[in-house]
Amino acid sequence: QVQLVQSGAEVKKSGASVKVSCESSGYTFSGYWVHWVRQAPGQGLEWVGCINGDSGVRYYAQKFQGRVTITRDTSINTAYVELSGLTSDDMAVYYCAREASGSRYPGDLWGQGTLVTVSS
Amino acid sequence: QSALTQPASVSGSPGQSITISCTGTSSDVGAYNYVSWYQQHPGKAPKVIIFDVSERPSGVSNRFSGSKSGNTASLTISGLQAEDESDYYCSSYTSSITYVFGTGTKVTVL
Repeated sequence: QVQLVQSGAEVKKSGASVKVSCESSGYTFSGYWVHWVRQAPGQGLEWVGCINGDSGVRYYAQKFQGRVTITRDTSINTAYVELSGLTSDDMAVYYCAREASGSRYPGDLWGQGTLVTVSS
Repeated sequence: QSALTQPASVSGSPGQSITISCTGTSSDVGAYNYVSWYQQHPGKAPKVIIFDVSERPSGVSNRFSGSKSGNTASLTISGLQAEDESDYYCSSYTSSITYVFGTGTKVTVL
């Protein structure tokens, strides 16, 4: 079964870091890019960054440069997003999404989302 | 990178057609034919309904269509149905090798 399964909800203190995982199954992980997209409560979608499953090349949204790290572990077909210096503005559902092969759009396949709550 | 601009809300009666605009710049929407559209129901992950400006993934109704002119892309929903009531987002690849989403549009079926 082709799917992306994300880690569970997280509760973090302001200033802390959070790391969310996204495990793929049913397809060749190294053949695709994996994107991270977040959505604050009641707000729109926001692109965070992406990583190539094969080369590990990464791109980040300017807004998160210096504060976000996206990595992958090909041995377990898993991608990660780590965000440091958390503030209440980072409270959101974080989604991983596979980029379609042969095109450039995140999300022909999505994870279920991971809620990150930031408390003071 | 600023979000692409979409109308906050669009409404229509069943059977009607509605169009949602998505305005970007010459560095994103205007630069590439990599505009995609997503439908998102409350509490669910987004679902792609249009990619590469006007292509429909397998299984998506042909009532959804996309187009682009200059820096503005558009999504048209024809024969509006109650099940189309949802949030819709556009997205574009950019010249910075990044992606940007639109501000989102809430579609209401009257």
